[in-house]
Amino acid sequence: AQSVTQLGSHVSVSEGALVLLRCNYSSSVPPYLFWYVQYPNQGLQLLLKYTSAATLVKGINGFEAEFKKSETSFHLTKPSAHMSDAAEYFCAVSENQGAQKLVFGQGTRLTINP
Amino acid sequence: GAGVSQSPRYKVAKRGQDVALRCDPISGHVSLFWYQQALGQGPEFLTYFQNEAQLDKSGLPSDRFFAERPEGSVSTLKIQRTQQEDSAVYLCASSSREANTEAFFGQGTRLTVV
Repeated sequence: AQSVTQLGSHVSVSEGALVLLRCNYSSSVPPYLFWYVQYPNQGLQLLLKYTSAATLVKGINGFEAEFKKSETSFHLTKPSAHMSDAAEYFCAVSENQGAQKLVFGQGTRLTINP
Repeated sequence: GAGVSQSPRYKVAKRGQDVALRCDPISGHVSLFWYQQALGQGPEFLTYFQNEAQLDKSGLPSDRFFAERPEGSVSTLKIQRTQQEDSAVYLCASSSREANTEAFFGQGTRLTVV
Protein backbone atom coordinates (compact mmCIF):
# COMPACT_ATOMS: atom_id res chain seq x y z
CA ALA A 1 0.00 0.00 0.00
CA GLN A 2 1.12 3.51 -0.70
CA SER A 3 1.26 6.31 1.83
CA VAL A 4 2.49 9.87 2.14
CA THR A 5 3.76 11.71 5.20
CA GLN A 6 4.06 15.47 5.24
CA LEU A 7 6.25 16.69 8.07
CA GLY A 8 4.79 19.80 9.65
CA SER A 9 1.13 20.64 9.38
CA HIS A 10 2.00 24.35 9.54
CA VAL A 11 5.02 26.15 8.13
CA SER A 12 5.60 29.87 8.49
CA VAL A 13 8.27 31.82 6.61
CA SER A 14 9.05 35.46 5.97
CA GLU A 15 8.43 37.00 2.57
CA GLY A 16 11.57 36.48 0.48
CA ALA A 17 12.78 33.54 2.53
CA LEU A 18 13.28 29.97 1.37
CA VAL A 19 10.23 27.73 1.38
CA LEU A 20 10.77 24.05 2.22
CA LEU A 21 7.82 21.68 2.55
CA ARG A 22 8.69 18.10 3.37
CA CYS A 23 7.15 14.96 1.92
CA ASN A 24 8.12 11.33 2.43
CA TYR A 25 6.40 8.47 0.68
CA SER A 26 6.04 4.74 0.94
CA SER A 27 5.41 2.67 -2.15
CA SER A 28 5.97 -0.93 -3.17
CA VAL A 29 6.29 0.05 -6.83
CA PRO A 30 8.16 2.90 -8.52
CA PRO A 31 6.08 5.87 -7.50
CA TYR A 32 4.66 8.81 -9.36
CA LEU A 33 4.69 11.85 -7.10
CA PHE A 34 2.73 15.07 -7.18
CA TRP A 35 2.46 18.37 -5.34
CA TYR A 36 -0.88 20.19 -5.33
CA VAL A 37 -1.79 23.61 -3.94
CA GLN A 38 -5.19 24.52 -2.53
CA TYR A 39 -6.23 28.12 -1.98
CA PRO A 40 -9.17 28.83 0.36
CA ASN A 41 -12.49 27.61 -1.03
CA GLN A 42 -10.78 26.41 -4.20
CA GLY A 43 -10.06 23.04 -5.73
CA LEU A 44 -6.63 21.51 -5.98
CA GLN A 45 -4.18 22.82 -8.57
CA LEU A 46 -1.23 20.78 -9.78
CA LEU A 47 2.12 22.42 -9.01
CA LEU A 48 4.42 19.74 -10.39
CA LYS A 49 4.83 16.00 -10.82
CA TYR A 50 7.59 13.41 -10.92
CA THR A 51 7.13 10.63 -13.48
CA SER A 52 10.55 8.94 -13.49
CA ALA A 53 12.23 11.32 -15.95
CA ALA A 54 14.41 13.98 -14.29
CA THR A 55 14.74 13.76 -10.52
CA LEU A 56 14.59 17.55 -10.19
CA VAL A 57 11.20 18.72 -11.27
CA LYS A 58 10.28 22.33 -11.94
CA GLY A 59 6.72 23.47 -11.57
CA ILE A 60 4.60 26.56 -11.72
CA ASN A 61 5.03 29.71 -9.65
CA GLY A 62 8.76 29.09 -9.13
CA PHE A 63 8.37 25.86 -7.16
CA GLU A 64 10.53 22.80 -7.66
CA ALA A 65 10.92 19.40 -6.03
CA GLU A 66 13.63 16.78 -5.97
CA PHE A 67 12.95 13.05 -5.97
CA LYS A 68 15.40 11.20 -3.73
CA LYS A 69 14.83 7.47 -3.88
CA SER A 70 17.37 6.67 -1.15
CA GLU A 71 15.50 8.96 1.26
CA THR A 72 12.01 8.20 -0.13
CA SER A 73 11.48 11.93 -0.21
CA PHE A 74 9.99 14.50 -2.57
CA HIS A 75 10.42 17.84 -0.79
CA LEU A 76 9.01 21.02 -2.31
CA THR A 77 11.10 24.20 -2.38
CA LYS A 78 10.94 27.77 -3.58
CA PRO A 79 13.93 30.10 -3.22
CA SER A 80 11.99 33.22 -2.31
CA ALA A 81 8.51 33.20 -0.78
CA HIS A 82 5.82 35.57 -1.97
CA MET A 83 2.72 36.60 -0.09
CA SER A 84 0.60 34.92 -2.76
CA ASP A 85 2.17 31.54 -1.88
CA ALA A 86 0.10 31.35 1.30
CA ALA A 87 -2.06 28.25 0.85
CA GLU A 88 -2.42 24.57 1.74
CA TYR A 89 0.00 22.22 -0.01
CA PHE A 90 -0.56 18.51 -0.54
CA CYS A 91 1.90 15.84 -1.59
CA ALA A 92 0.42 12.80 -3.33
CA VAL A 93 1.59 9.47 -4.71
CA SER A 94 0.19 7.25 -7.44
CA GLU A 95 1.05 3.88 -8.93
CA ASN A 96 0.47 5.25 -12.43
CA GLN A 97 1.82 8.26 -14.25
CA GLY A 98 -1.62 9.00 -15.56
CA ALA A 99 -4.21 10.70 -13.43
CA GLN A 100 -5.17 7.58 -11.57
CA LYS A 101 -6.02 7.08 -7.94
CA LEU A 102 -4.00 9.48 -5.80
CA VAL A 103 -3.01 8.95 -2.16
CA PHE A 104 -2.58 12.32 -0.45
CA GLY A 105 -0.69 13.47 2.59
CA GLN A 106 -2.45 15.44 5.31
CA GLY A 107 -1.29 18.75 3.94
CA THR A 108 0.92 21.61 5.08
CA ARG A 109 -0.48 25.08 5.60
CA LEU A 110 2.05 27.68 4.48
CA THR A 111 1.87 31.13 6.02
CA ILE A 112 3.95 34.01 4.70
CA ASN A 113 4.91 36.76 7.11
CA PRO A 114 5.44 40.27 5.71
CA GLY B 1 -17.08 23.99 -19.82
CA ALA B 2 -13.84 25.68 -18.88
CA GLY B 3 -13.30 23.62 -15.76
CA VAL B 4 -14.79 20.99 -13.49
CA SER B 5 -18.03 22.27 -12.03
CA GLN B 6 -19.60 20.97 -8.85
CA SER B 7 -22.98 21.73 -7.36
CA PRO B 8 -24.14 22.68 -4.91
CA ARG B 9 -21.12 24.44 -3.43
CA TYR B 10 -22.57 24.12 0.06
CA LYS B 11 -25.12 21.68 1.43
CA VAL B 12 -26.54 21.41 4.91
CA ALA B 13 -28.39 18.19 5.59
CA LYS B 14 -30.19 16.93 8.63
CA ARG B 15 -28.95 13.61 9.93
CA GLY B 16 -30.77 10.84 8.16
CA GLN B 17 -31.48 12.88 5.04
CA ASP B 18 -30.37 11.72 1.58
CA VAL B 19 -28.16 14.04 -0.50
CA ALA B 20 -26.99 14.12 -4.11
CA LEU B 21 -23.85 15.92 -5.21
CA ARG B 22 -23.27 16.71 -8.86
CA CYS B 23 -20.07 16.91 -10.89
CA ASP B 24 -19.76 18.25 -14.44
CA PRO B 25 -16.33 17.26 -15.73
CA ILE B 26 -14.35 19.02 -18.41
CA SER B 27 -15.89 18.23 -21.78
CA GLY B 28 -14.33 15.16 -23.36
CA HIS B 29 -12.61 13.92 -20.24
CA VAL B 30 -13.11 10.19 -19.93
CA SER B 31 -11.83 9.72 -16.38
CA LEU B 32 -13.68 11.02 -13.34
CA PHE B 33 -12.74 10.75 -9.68
CA TRP B 34 -14.48 11.50 -6.39
CA TYR B 35 -12.52 12.34 -3.24
CA GLN B 36 -13.62 13.11 0.32
CA GLN B 37 -11.70 15.75 2.27
CA ALA B 38 -12.42 15.92 5.99
CA LEU B 39 -11.56 19.12 7.85
CA GLY B 40 -7.80 19.48 8.25
CA GLN B 41 -7.07 16.34 6.24
CA GLY B 42 -5.89 15.50 2.77
CA PRO B 43 -8.36 14.25 0.18
CA GLU B 44 -9.16 10.55 0.28
CA PHE B 45 -10.10 8.56 -2.80
CA LEU B 46 -13.69 7.39 -3.04
CA THR B 47 -14.30 6.10 -6.54
CA TYR B 48 -13.17 6.26 -10.19
CA PHE B 49 -15.03 6.12 -13.51
CA GLN B 50 -13.75 5.60 -17.00
CA ASN B 51 -16.57 6.80 -19.22
CA GLU B 52 -19.69 5.24 -17.68
CA ALA B 53 -17.87 2.30 -16.11
CA GLN B 54 -17.12 2.47 -12.42
CA LEU B 55 -13.72 0.80 -12.35
CA ASP B 56 -12.81 1.33 -8.72
CA LYS B 57 -15.11 1.97 -5.77
CA SER B 58 -12.78 0.71 -3.11
CA GLY B 59 -12.79 4.02 -1.23
CA LEU B 60 -16.53 4.30 -0.66
CA PRO B 61 -16.82 4.17 3.14
CA SER B 62 -20.12 2.33 3.35
CA ASP B 63 -23.04 1.07 1.32
CA ARG B 64 -24.75 4.39 2.04
CA PHE B 65 -22.48 5.92 -0.59
CA PHE B 66 -23.32 5.43 -4.24
CA ALA B 67 -21.90 7.05 -7.36
CA GLU B 68 -23.04 6.93 -10.95
CA ARG B 69 -22.10 8.34 -14.33
CA PRO B 70 -24.75 6.88 -16.64
CA GLU B 71 -23.80 8.65 -19.87
CA GLY B 72 -20.09 8.96 -19.28
CA SER B 73 -20.24 12.66 -18.58
CA VAL B 74 -22.01 14.12 -15.53
CA SER B 75 -21.58 12.17 -12.31
CA THR B 76 -23.64 12.12 -9.15
CA LEU B 77 -22.46 11.06 -5.71
CA LYS B 78 -25.37 10.06 -3.51
CA ILE B 79 -25.22 9.62 0.22
CA GLN B 80 -28.17 7.96 1.89
CA ARG B 81 -29.18 8.44 5.53
CA THR B 82 -26.42 10.99 6.14
CA GLN B 83 -24.52 10.89 9.40
CA GLN B 84 -22.38 13.53 11.10
CA GLU B 85 -19.18 11.78 10.09
CA ASP B 86 -20.14 12.35 6.46
CA SER B 87 -19.49 16.07 6.94
CA ALA B 88 -16.62 16.92 4.59
CA VAL B 89 -15.73 18.56 1.30
CA TYR B 90 -16.41 16.28 -1.63
CA LEU B 91 -14.05 16.91 -4.53
CA CYS B 92 -14.52 15.79 -8.11
CA ALA B 93 -11.69 15.59 -10.63
CA SER B 94 -11.51 14.68 -14.30
CA SER B 95 -8.76 13.85 -16.74
CA SER B 96 -8.37 13.05 -20.42
CA ARG B 97 -7.53 9.71 -21.97
CA GLU B 98 -3.91 10.47 -22.70
CA ALA B 99 -1.25 9.01 -20.45
CA ASN B 100 0.86 11.26 -18.26
CA THR B 101 -1.99 13.70 -17.91
CA GLU B 102 -3.15 15.55 -14.86
CA ALA B 103 -6.42 15.51 -13.02
CA PHE B 104 -8.31 18.81 -12.87
CA PHE B 105 -10.23 19.37 -9.66
CA GLY B 106 -13.48 21.16 -9.07
CA GLN B 107 -14.03 23.56 -6.16
CA GLY B 108 -15.83 20.91 -4.18
CA THR B 109 -19.11 20.62 -2.32
CA ARG B 110 -18.95 21.29 1.40
CA LEU B 111 -21.45 18.99 3.12
CA THR B 112 -22.43 19.69 6.71
CA VAL B 113 -24.64 17.17 8.47
CA VAL B 114 -26.45 18.56 11.52
